[in-house]
Amino acid sequence: GQNIDQPTEMTATEGAIVQINCTYQTSGFNGLFWYQQHAGEAPTFLSYNVLDGLEEKGRFSSFLSRSKGYSYLLLKELQMKDSASYLCAPRDTGRRALTFGSGTRLQVQP
Amino acid sequence: DTGVSQDPRHKITKRGQNVTFRCDPISEHNRLYWYRQTLGQGPEFLTYFQNEAQLEKSRLLSDRFSAERPKGSFSTLEIQRTEQGDSAMYLCASSPEGQNYGYTFGSGTRLTVV
Repeated sequence: GQNIDQPTEMTATEGAIVQINCTYQTSGFNGLFWYQQHAGEAPTFLSYNVLDGLEEKGRFSSFLSRSKGYSYLLLKELQMKDSASYLCAPRDTGRRALTFGSGTRLQVQP
Repeated sequence: DTGVSQDPRHKITKRGQNVTFRCDPISEHNRLYWYRQTLGQGPEFLTYFQNEAQLEKSRLLSDRFSAERPKGSFSTLEIQRTEQGDSAMYLCASSPEGQNYGYTFGSGTRLTVV
């Protein structure tokens, strides 16, 4: 099974940087995904990490430490449209399906 | 191809009735997933198909739930004898072959059982 822990809510200011943490426990590990979900909409794919380190993609970066069972999503130059839930989803070895955390609801304020 | 399509978008049904939802994945994607999501929670895995084969099914899925993907293209999810606890958003997603491809989700079917 999997245990996934993310903060429930975060608040940040427009233009700032925010880091959303995720810790997980899996019996095996085969990659970790981050998704963004705006209220009332479907989740959309943000990033994928399978090796340790930082993956940068524009304003968004994702970091992984497999030995610590830890990942974070870093959002820079926050914009109002970044207000959404951010879902951490590690994948177990031998499975194709992802298990999602409960998500972190980010509120960006002016 | 305009992405993953789900039908209907909304469904209100009386307790005890059967409902069926349809998902049309992206045509090149051979993997298809069903998830259920309630307010404030992440998507909860229900079942997974690779082509027409149902390869994984959640232990949380009761006997009232069944899914099919008869020709490896569209899929249906049926819930029999609906209960109020079945009220949720039912999400379908698809992905191509390969380890590092994320899912593309459909817009979901919102089910309300009254």
